[in-house]
Amino acid sequence: GNSVTQMEGPVTLSEEAFLTINCTYTATGYPSLFWYVQYPGEGLQLLLKATKADDKGSNKGFEATYRKETTSFHLEKGSVQVSDSAVYFCALSPQGGSEKLVFGKGTKLTVNP
Amino acid sequence: KAGVTQTPRYLIKTRGQQVTLSCSPISGHRSVSWYQQTPGQGLQFLFEYFSETQRNKGNFPGRFSGRQFSNSRSEMNVSTLELGDSALYLCASSLDSSSTEAFFGQGTRLTVV
Repeated sequence: GNSVTQMEGPVTLSEEAFLTINCTYTATGYPSLFWYVQYPGEGLQLLLKATKADDKGSNKGFEATYRKETTSFHLEKGSVQVSDSAVYFCALSPQGGSEKLVFGKGTKLTVNP
Repeated sequence: KAGVTQTPRYLIKTRGQQVTLSCSPISGHRSVSWYQQTPGQGLQFLFEYFSETQRNKGNFPGRFSGRQFSNSRSEMNVSTLELGDSALYLCASSLDSSSTEAFFGQGTRLTVV
């Protein structure tokens, strides 16, 4: 079946540190891949996406590259800010299949000043 | 353009009762999907509706049901509530059933006591 595995954290960084959150997936065919962010008390916001192998999604300084050979979609940011503190979810949209979106467990990021 | 609107934001119900949650998608979007978010299980797909028809359903008991109206608004119903149904219920809207990009509402926080 389809599944997403991401590092669960929590992750605590100092402001301006480099961020990596690992995400790997299992899926048949060619899923689309996403990173969503959830701020306290809010729903999910789409952070970035990639729809085919070697695509790089980017937004607000965050980047992730769709790696078919390693079935990975790791999230990176060169210099985090306090305002980046949130929970980050990696997700896939299967090609075909019965689920609209399949999510990882989420990674809580705290950035200290 | 208004986002996805979920009502109510918070609900407290007693075991055995039933509850109905509402979701109004982004104008022009015709696909609505529902997710349950709990600390233990994370985000799990409930079902998707498109053109008033259920397209896909996740692995939830029959107590969980939904429907979609001709204006694309959707409701989900949970009957015979159990303590374990306490969760954040998130609705997401997409342009159509093949669209991989989903926009989430703020969710309805259901507490079963």
